[in-house]
Amino acid sequence: AQSVSQHNHHVILSEAASLELGCNYSYGGTVNLFWYVQYPGQHLQLLLKYFSGDPLVKGIKGFEAEFIKSKFSFNLRKPSVQWSDTAEYFCAVPLGTYKYIFGTGTRLKVLA
Amino acid sequence: GAGVSQSPRYKVAKRGQDVALRCDPISGHVSLFWYQQALGQGPEFLTYFQNEAQLDKSGLPSDRFFAERPEGSVSTLKIQRTQQEDSAVYLCASSPSESSQVQRRTDTQYFGPGTRLTVL
Repeated sequence: AQSVSQHNHHVILSEAASLELGCNYSYGGTVNLFWYVQYPGQHLQLLLKYFSGDPLVKGIKGFEAEFIKSKFSFNLRKPSVQWSDTAEYFCAVPLGTYKYIFGTGTRLKVLA
Repeated sequence: GAGVSQSPRYKVAKRGQDVALRCDPISGHVSLFWYQQALGQGPEFLTYFQNEAQLDKSGLPSDRFFAERPEGSVSTLKIQRTQQEDSAVYLCASSPSESSQVQRRTDTQYFGPGTRLTVL
């Protein structure tokens, strides 16, 4: 069965540190990939997405992710985190054309 | 409204009660989804509507769960005879277009704030 794995469940960083959150998926078909973010008290919102083309995708707030097909990975990165990046991050892979499978999420806490 | 709205935001039910959770999708969005998010987990798919048609209900955990979208806009998720294991956040999402095998791509889904259900 298709699955999505997020390796880090809790991450604590100081401001200005670099961030990389892992996401691996198991799916052999056409791949669309998403990262969603949930800030404290807010709803899930799209951070970035990959459909095709350049495997390095840039999203909002300085985030980027790289699709590496050979590794079935779509890791999220940010060179320098801010306190306001404190949130929970979810990787998602569609099963078919509409049904998302989400990872378990990574809670990021950024210390000021 | 500008986004997906859900009501109520919080619901406490006694075990055995029936509950109804409402979702107002973004106006004009064809597709509507319900997800269940247990504590410490990612959202899990429950069901999918394309307009008023429920095309996939494979994620509904039991026949106590029922969803409808009679006019192709507002949707209601109903849980009958609630159990403690039903405690979770129920998320609704909508997307502009229908799923498309031809497109071979998945629309972005826009999520509501969720309804936190606690069953005592």
